Amino acid sequence: EAGVTQFPSHSVIEKGQTVTLRCDPISGHDNLYWYRRVMGKEIKFLLHFVKESKQDESGMPNNRFLAERTGGTYSTLKVQPAELEDSGVYFCASSPLPGANVLTFGAGSRLTVL
Amino acid sequence: GQQLNQSPQSMFIQEGEDVSMNCTSSSIFNTWLWYKQDPGEGPVLLIALYKAGELTSNGRLTAQFGITRKDSFLNISASIPSDVGIYFCAGQVATPLVFGKGTRLSVIA
Repeated sequence: EAGVTQFPSHSVIEKGQTVTLRCDPISGHDNLYWYRRVMGKEIKFLLHFVKESKQDESGMPNNRFLAERTGGTYSTLKVQPAELEDSGVYFCASSPLPGANVLTFGAGSRLTVL
Repeated sequence: GQQLNQSPQSMFIQEGEDVSMNCTSSSIFNTWLWYKQDPGEGPVLLIALYKAGELTSNGRLTAQFGITRKDSFLNISASIPSDVGIYFCAGQVATPLVFGKGTRLSVIA
């Protein structure tokens, strides 16, 4: 079974530019989560999709961040315009059950904003 | 919001030594989890704990769910080079999971 796939693995952009991160969850997993880890800090929750619907987006930092999951399969997280403090590793995770605490994580997308 | 205090922040140990790390919180959790992140990879679940006082082992790893439900520890016995990585504790009451800042483990052969 393929795991959670994230693309790109690393992105370097300048402040003010736009970046789109993509996550392909494990096939059949309705629940998809985005987390972010700023260097040296905790892994912080951003949002949770159930199929194509946003179940919880309480962790989204501000309106520069837009997450979508059209069709309930893969998800994208767009940052526009990027700021320096957006740098970090963005993890996607999926699970088959709602409220499940056993998540399968992707390898992460490292974002560096210069 | 809920926060987890994970310590130590980093550890350098000799191969063969035992390791202990812990996580504390002022909040009560119903579930405690321990994840390991290898370089360039995402976190992988090591141990899940579901009941206060529960002690669970997974090979050389042992973790306990504190009786107060506000803390957990992870022990690694007889460390080996592949134990290198960042260990994260995570707690849950309702979704989403709350993570600690991680313990970076370095093993010197």
